[in-house]
Amino acid sequence: NAGVTQTPKFRILKIGQSMTLQCTQDMNHNYMYWYRQDPGMGLKLIYYSVGAGITDKGEVPNGYNVSRSTTEDFPLRLELAAPSQTSVYFCASSYEYTEAFFGQGTRLTVV
Amino acid sequence: AQKVTQAQTEISVVEKEDVTLDCVYETRDTTYYLFWYKQPPSGELVFLIRRNSFDEQNEISGRYSWNFQKSTSSFNFTITASQVVDSAVYFCALGGNNRLAFGKGNQVVVIP
Repeated sequence: NAGVTQTPKFRILKIGQSMTLQCTQDMNHNYMYWYRQDPGMGLKLIYYSVGAGITDKGEVPNGYNVSRSTTEDFPLRLELAAPSQTSVYFCASSYEYTEAFFGQGTRLTVV
Repeated sequence: AQKVTQAQTEISVVEKEDVTLDCVYETRDTTYYLFWYKQPPSGELVFLIRRNSFDEQNEISGRYSWNFQKSTSSFNFTITASQVVDSAVYFCALGGNNRLAFGKGNQVVVIP
C-alpha cells in the first residue's frame, strides 16, 4: 500500500520557470490538500479539494494552481516561480474528519 | 476562521522526564477534530492522535496522553518518560469546514 506519493522529492527551479508537483493517493480518500512548510512557520494550506472536480483556495494560494480530475491525483502547478516559493511542499489526503496521511514532501528551491 | 496556537517554540528535557505541549485553538465550527502530528528530523509527518469535539474524554496511549478541554479551547499533549527518539517537531492541528489548519509546531529536544 503506497499511501500518498509525491514526485519529485527535490527540484531546483530558475526564477520564472514553471513546474508541476505530482501527488497521487491510493486510499480512495475524497479530501486532498497541499501545504507548504517554511522553517519555523508550520504548515500553511495552499489549496484543498473535497472530491474530484472540486478545489478551493487555502491560506496562501497566490502563485499556484491545482486540478482534481480524478480521486487519486491532485497536482500542484507553479507558474512563474519566485524565490518566495522556495519551501518544502507536502501533499496529504484523508476522509472527511479523519486524520490526514502525508506524502514524503518535495523540497523546492527557486534561484 | 480556524487558528491553532502553539506558544512554546523549543522545549528541552532530559531523558525520562515528562514533556507537555500546549495547544490552543479557535474555531466557529460546532463539530471539529483535533490532531497531534510528529515530524522527526527525517522530515515526514506522522499522525499520533485524534480527538473529536463532541468527546472530551481524555485518554492515554502508551507514553502519550492528551487533555482536551473544550471550555478553554485547549488540546494539550504529554509524552511520559521521554526518550531520545521523541526528539522532533510536534504539530497540533484543527480540522473542520473541509480544512485542516496547523500550528507552528513545538521543537522537542530530548537530552540523553
